[in-house]
Amino acid sequence: GAVVSQHPSWVICKSGTSVKIECRSLDFQATTMFWYRQFPKQSLMLMATSNEGSKATYEQGVEKDKFLINHASLTLSTLTVTSAHPEDSSFYICSALYPLAGSWGYFGPGTRLTVT
Amino acid sequence: DAKTTQPPSMDCAEGRAANLPCNHSTISGNEYVYWYRQIHSQGPQYIIHGLKNNETNEMASLIITEDRKSSTLILPHATLRDTAVYYCIVSGNNNAGNMLTFGGGTRLMVKP
Repeated sequence: GAVVSQHPSWVICKSGTSVKIECRSLDFQATTMFWYRQFPKQSLMLMATSNEGSKATYEQGVEKDKFLINHASLTLSTLTVTSAHPEDSSFYICSALYPLAGSWGYFGPGTRLTVT
Repeated sequence: DAKTTQPPSMDCAEGRAANLPCNHSTISGNEYVYWYRQIHSQGPQYIIHGLKNNETNEMASLIITEDRKSSTLILPHATLRDTAVYYCIVSGNNNAGNMLTFGGGTRLMVKP
């Protein structure tokens, strides 16, 4: 199947700093990517939809000024957690939409963020 | 997106078929049924999807009832590596950019 990568796979940062997470579709072009967050023992929660060349659409309750999303190319979307706090510690997962009718999203391996 | 209902957990003996049910009684005509699984601390892995016909691939089979209100994912010969959380998701045609909304899933434990 198609491959989606994320970088870094894990990161530890200090409270108040910003962290950027990259999501790349390696062998297909994705006009749409999704960002999810998953807390321990919980399901994935959609944070935002990222469309290439346009502003991201955020789910209710997700602060767009805190979680900055940039989808500058058809193979790369970035999520920047600004002024991170310990409660932002989570598993962040991206998904790239495979461009076929009735198709599906391929997911990245996830990024474990720990804010100290 | 239509909601889905799955049992929170299931056990299966290694080598036996694992049958994971999913109810999606409010599914609409243009919505697909997708199945993903998530092994601990990894991103979800696509398994299979279907609209109304039964589907089979190298990983699993998907049986969708005629009224489309429920489906069953079948892992024909479960192995220990199939232990994971399995998510049944209903969503529209992804060309429209519909997102995949995850519910609680079924935690499948394959036992030796």
